[in-house]
Amino acid sequence: DQQVKQNSPSLSVQEGRISILNCDYTNSMFDYFLWYKKYPAEGPTFLISISSIKDKNEDGRFTVFLNKSAKHLSLHIVPSQPGDSAVYFCAASFSGTYKYIFGTGTRLKVLA
Amino acid sequence: GAVVSQHPSRVICKSGTSVKIECRSLDFQATTMFWYRQFPKQSLMLMATSNEGSKATYEQGVEKDKFLINHASLTLSTLTVTSAHPEDSSFYICSARETGVVNEQFFGPGTRLTVL
Repeated sequence: DQQVKQNSPSLSVQEGRISILNCDYTNSMFDYFLWYKKYPAEGPTFLISISSIKDKNEDGRFTVFLNKSAKHLSLHIVPSQPGDSAVYFCAASFSGTYKYIFGTGTRLKVLA
Repeated sequence: GAVVSQHPSRVICKSGTSVKIECRSLDFQATTMFWYRQFPKQSLMLMATSNEGSKATYEQGVEKDKFLINHASLTLSTLTVTSAHPEDSSFYICSARETGVVNEQFFGPGTRLTVL
């Protein structure tokens, strides 16, 4: 039972263009969402997060959008850079539990 | 940012042996640490939540006698894979939550376990 899903296993984008990574969740009780970036054989590194009381959070080139009614969030990277090439995981959590439920990941490749 | 280390980074062992993996928070105190497992091209699956000074809480389907967790101090949690078998081969990642900080976890670099 995959509560957090990333339906696109991979995505290729030209350098300078926008990358849009999508994530869907099934449990409406999730109230905090995060995006992590991961290189092979390394631990995930935090990118950006959003609370369920917001619908958008922006940090530099990274913006996360949350659509609670659709149980959908997305990560926008603009402009995309070759160094952004990695696997991106979305994660969801419940307040007070501190546990993260991760999606299956999307491999982003930014072409120079 | 906060740093979490794991040791060893990679280990190869024979079937039937036990392997201990350490997770340390280097510049902060972590009341809670988490252990994840990742199979190739799959998601990070939470195995257990480790709380300093108390027993770990295991996720459904994770054998607590197989994966022993000890969180003896605010900066160290250990995961011991007992009587390892080839199907235990995986990438094990820990994360640590800084005491008093609600919703932020810092991840270690992971440990690649290969059981022959």
